[in-house]
Amino acid sequence: GQQLNQSPQSMFIQEGEDVSMNCTSSSIFNTWLWYKQDPGEGPVLLIALYKAGELTSNGRLTAQFGITRKDSFLNISASIPSDVGIYFCAGQAGYALNFGKGTSLLVTP
Amino acid sequence: NAGVTQTPKFQVLKTGQSMTLQCAQDMNHNSMYWYRQDPGMGLRLIYYSASEGTTDKGEVPNGYNVSRLNKREFSLRLESAAPSQTSVYFCASSDDNNYGYTFGSGTRLTVV
Repeated sequence: GQQLNQSPQSMFIQEGEDVSMNCTSSSIFNTWLWYKQDPGEGPVLLIALYKAGELTSNGRLTAQFGITRKDSFLNISASIPSDVGIYFCAGQAGYALNFGKGTSLLVTP
Repeated sequence: NAGVTQTPKFQVLKTGQSMTLQCAQDMNHNSMYWYRQDPGMGLRLIYYSASEGTTDKGEVPNGYNVSRLNKREFSLRLESAAPSQTSVYFCASSDDNNYGYTFGSGTRLTVV
């Protein structure tokens, strides 16, 4: 599959801080998606982006589809303890999704 | 609640044993997928099924077979388990636009 480079690999932050993570690829994608995985569960869709340049918000989460179609970022504002988990970016060019390796987020009260 | 159901949740196998992981969805989705998740590797596609009666290989299909039994069910079979197949397996489904998958809660498989 097409490789997605997701960074950072992990983050350890204090409650209330803002968080930013990003994903890049050498390939162009038609759709970018961001998922969150809680411990012991499957990933859950947070935000889907369908057009280059698109900026979309979902509560405290904001994500953008890069102009080049080869990158995307996710921001979380005013983090809270329940934001803990692994965040995955995913890009779609062919039939199935290609996933990044994930960003592990830890939030201390 | 509507969603994707996987069974079993946990399984330990001996090398060489066979088993089938079951997956069912009740969202009337045409497309279904099997991924494996390993530490530091993210999610890798094993097989997918674009519609009932069709299956295609993904990134890491070796050692696995699949069956799309009907529109609801998509099973993954390990004919002769190997320690390298120790992983967490996720089933997912999506609508025709493939805009976002719904995942099951996973099967944690250990091969000893």
